[in-house]
Amino acid sequence: AQSVTQPDIHITVSEGASLELRCNYSYGATPYLFWYVQSPGQGLQLLLKYFSGDTLVQGIKGFEAEFKRSQSSFNLRKPSVHWSDAAEYFCAVVVYSGNTPLVFGKGTRLSVIA
Amino acid sequence: DGGITQSPKYLFRKEGQNVTLSCEQNLNHDAMYWYRQDPGQGLRLIYYSQIVNDFQKGDIAEGYSVSREKKESFPLTVTSAQKNPTAFYLCASSMGDPLNTEAFFGQGTRLTVV
Repeated sequence: AQSVTQPDIHITVSEGASLELRCNYSYGATPYLFWYVQSPGQGLQLLLKYFSGDTLVQGIKGFEAEFKRSQSSFNLRKPSVHWSDAAEYFCAVVVYSGNTPLVFGKGTRLSVIA
Repeated sequence: DGGITQSPKYLFRKEGQNVTLSCEQNLNHDAMYWYRQDPGQGLRLIYYSQIVNDFQKGDIAEGYSVSREKKESFPLTVTSAQKNPTAFYLCASSMGDPLNTEAFFGQGTRLTVV
């Protein structure tokens, strides 16, 4: 069964510093890959997605992610973090077979300090 | 505006009672999903429905029930058989075609057993 691992439970970065959140998936084929963000007490918002093609994908709010097939990874990056980026970030995968559910990692909580 | 509406935002239940969480979408999506979120656990799939009048159990379906009588509605009932129902519940929907397989989420319902 497919699974998603986010190794970092909590990360703290300084405002203006760069950010990388790690995500590894376990599946034989290339799945569809997603990053979502969740503010406290809210639903999830899609940041970006990868289906095929260029392995570096751009998303909203200045985020990008790179798919590396050899490492089964889909890490999320941002060159300069803003205080408003503090939230919980979830990596998710799905193998398309017609409306199949997303499988989520356990999330990484991002704190931003001044 | 198109979107997913979950109600109520907060719900309190006495032990032994059944409660129903509402989820409505006007995105014309075929698939709908219910996830449960607990701190540090990520999102776990309860039930999902790919088309009207059909649904499948997810990873943690015990103590829950659903119905899908209309395309736009996918209510979740938390029964008295669910031993630890206090959690944040998220409803989602997706279009399901290969280029639009991401899920869109509601704002969630926080259920507390008192």
